[in-house]
Amino acid sequence: ETGVTQTPRHLVMGMTNKKSLKCEQHLGHNAMYWYKQSAKKPLELMFVYNFKEQTENNSVPSRFSPECPNSSHLFLHLHTLQPEDSALYLCASSQGVGAGYTFGSGTRLTVV
Amino acid sequence: KQEVTQIPAALSVPEGENLVLNCSFTDSAIYNLQWFRQDPGKGLTSLLLIQSSQREQTSGRLNASLDKSSGRSTLYIAASQPGDSATYLCAVFSTTSGTYKYIFGTGTRLKVLA
Repeated sequence: ETGVTQTPRHLVMGMTNKKSLKCEQHLGHNAMYWYKQSAKKPLELMFVYNFKEQTENNSVPSRFSPECPNSSHLFLHLHTLQPEDSALYLCASSQGVGAGYTFGSGTRLTVV
Repeated sequence: KQEVTQIPAALSVPEGENLVLNCSFTDSAIYNLQWFRQDPGKGLTSLLLIQSSQREQTSGRLNASLDKSSGRSTLYIAASQPGDSATYLCAVFSTTSGTYKYIFGTGTRLKVLA
């Protein structure tokens, strides 16, 4: 374990379902991130939270809705997803934006 | 716009060989550079972080160098082992569209043969 825990590890959902991904860190970091990793593409930054405040939304469709109730927890709420949203979703944290990142193990999402 | 390239995309070497992985970036105004390892279907494990003022960092059999002016970084792996087989990603922290963020390369998939 790296100190960043993501659940669930795997998720299969239909296009009409609503589900949530969870990320938790106990490293005392104050910045948290959601990334999307698709096959043969670089990691894509989705959202940045710094001290619980969203500081970046990288033009992510509204069917992805992040929530950061405190500096240790980050959620990604999913609804009405498309098959092309199938990917590995990675959460990361850092002590300040620009400090080295610690990643979780990811959630493998399949939309059917 | 910052772009990060890693060549080669894939590499196979026999066990025991020393090897170099390459990372190049188009904008030399970076804050730091981080090398990661990713096992299949897993998250990223940080290997080395080099600040823009540093030339290299070492950890065990790994040595990463940074040449900002030429937009290049290398990851040197000494005496490779089958357990080193993974995808290696580099990421540069720099500004894109006015905000600082990590920009990732697509990685080099390494296979070390026993």
